[in-house]
Amino acid sequence: DQQVKQNSPSLSVQEGRISILNCDYTNSMFDYFLWYKKYPAEGPTFLISISSIKDKNEDGRFTVFLNKSAKHLSLHIVPSQPGDSAVYFCAASAYAGANSKLTFGKGITLSVRP
Amino acid sequence: EAGVTQSPTHLIKTRGQQATLRCSPISGHTSVYWYQQALGLGLQFLLWYDEGEERNRGNFPPRFSGRQFPNYSSELNVNALELEDSALYLCASSVGQGPHRIQPQHFGDGTRLSIL
Repeated sequence: DQQVKQNSPSLSVQEGRISILNCDYTNSMFDYFLWYKKYPAEGPTFLISISSIKDKNEDGRFTVFLNKSAKHLSLHIVPSQPGDSAVYFCAASAYAGANSKLTFGKGITLSVRP
Repeated sequence: EAGVTQSPTHLIKTRGQQATLRCSPISGHTSVYWYQQALGLGLQFLLWYDEGEERNRGNFPPRFSGRQFPNYSSELNVNALELEDSALYLCASSVGQGPHRIQPQHFGDGTRLSIL
């Protein structure tokens, strides 16, 4: 049973436009969510996170939105740049009970066209 | 600041052998995590060590084991290797548990384990 789902395997956007990457989760115990970016032959790089007590967190061109009632989060990248082309993973954790493991989605491949 | 380092980068073994993968966390981080990324699958949680103790393990057989040393570095050992163990093994570290427990995990570049 996949607890974190990234249903779209790929996304292609024009440089300068907005990229919106979606993620859904099923475990209501999740209270901390993260986005990672991964280039080929490298490990995932932490991008941005959000705690369940918030519904939005912003860091430069990256904004993560959390809708707890819908168990949905999204990553907005504005403006998109060719260097943003990578695989993006959504991850979630349930810190209650000190369970620090991250549960990952399968990733979305973002392609930003010049 | 040095990031998470893993060695070796690549490791080739045959079925039935044993593999040892190593990880050095970011300085100041006391928690180390191991994940497996097999072909076509997402990252699957393997093990979590904090302050030298195993705190949690994922749904993997006992032949996957590890330890954390006093300097917080860690080893992942895989015994009786099987073909399906071929995967990228990623190590991550974070600040340990406590008041600052909600901290992101930072990953190394992984060890590619190939079983022939």
